[in-house]
Amino acid sequence: DIVLTQSPATLSVTPGESVSLSCRASQGISTSIHWYQQKSNESPRLLIKYASQSISGIPSRFSGSGSGTDFTLSINRVESEDFSVYYCQQSYSLPLTFGSGTKLEIK
Amino acid sequence: EVQLVESGGGLVQPGRSLKLSCAASGFTFSNYYMAWVRQAPKKGLEWVATISTSGSRTYYPDSVKGRFTISRDNAKSSLYLQMNSLKSEDTATYYCARLYDVMDAWGQGASVTVSS
Repeated sequence: DIVLTQSPATLSVTPGESVSLSCRASQGISTSIHWYQQKSNESPRLLIKYASQSISGIPSRFSGSGSGTDFTLSINRVESEDFSVYYCQQSYSLPLTFGSGTKLEIK
Repeated sequence: EVQLVESGGGLVQPGRSLKLSCAASGFTFSNYYMAWVRQAPKKGLEWVATISTSGSRTYYPDSVKGRFTISRDNAKSSLYLQMNSLKSEDTATYYCARLYDVMDAWGQGASVTVSS
């Protein structure tokens, strides 16, 4: 199984700061990584697909990069509505797996 | 508007069965693979099952293989998850998700608690 390791587990930031969240795969997965946001008591929402492809309706401050084993979700100038948990997920091979998440919290 | 609405959750004893349903609307259900993903309390996301457009192909992780069965009724735009031999570790919120390479739409979730 492909293990996805997300870091840090928690990131404390001030609104207006820009941040980068990391997701590392246990083996090369090309660009088959996707990012989801989950706000408290809500369902996950797709943010970025295939490492860097944008999703309709998602604010442009969210962007993704990486290939192989190292991936990054960047948020340019964090807004109050962005404080939530972010998960990466791989679709390179079955079983589909998710990272353990990064919680973005207000400093 | 794409909508996925799960139902059928509840409290069930260990070893018993439960069947979840997911009603889809706002898109052509028969054109999409579908999936179930679960989330144990205060934990992360875990993929549970995937089904092809026709229902002829299904996929599961080892944690549920042989106990859970995913199925669909394209005429009713509905997705199902039959869960047998339930264990306490199956306690979670179960989400249905539309799968178009990625899980691009999610339901609100159905809570399943396995406890005596």
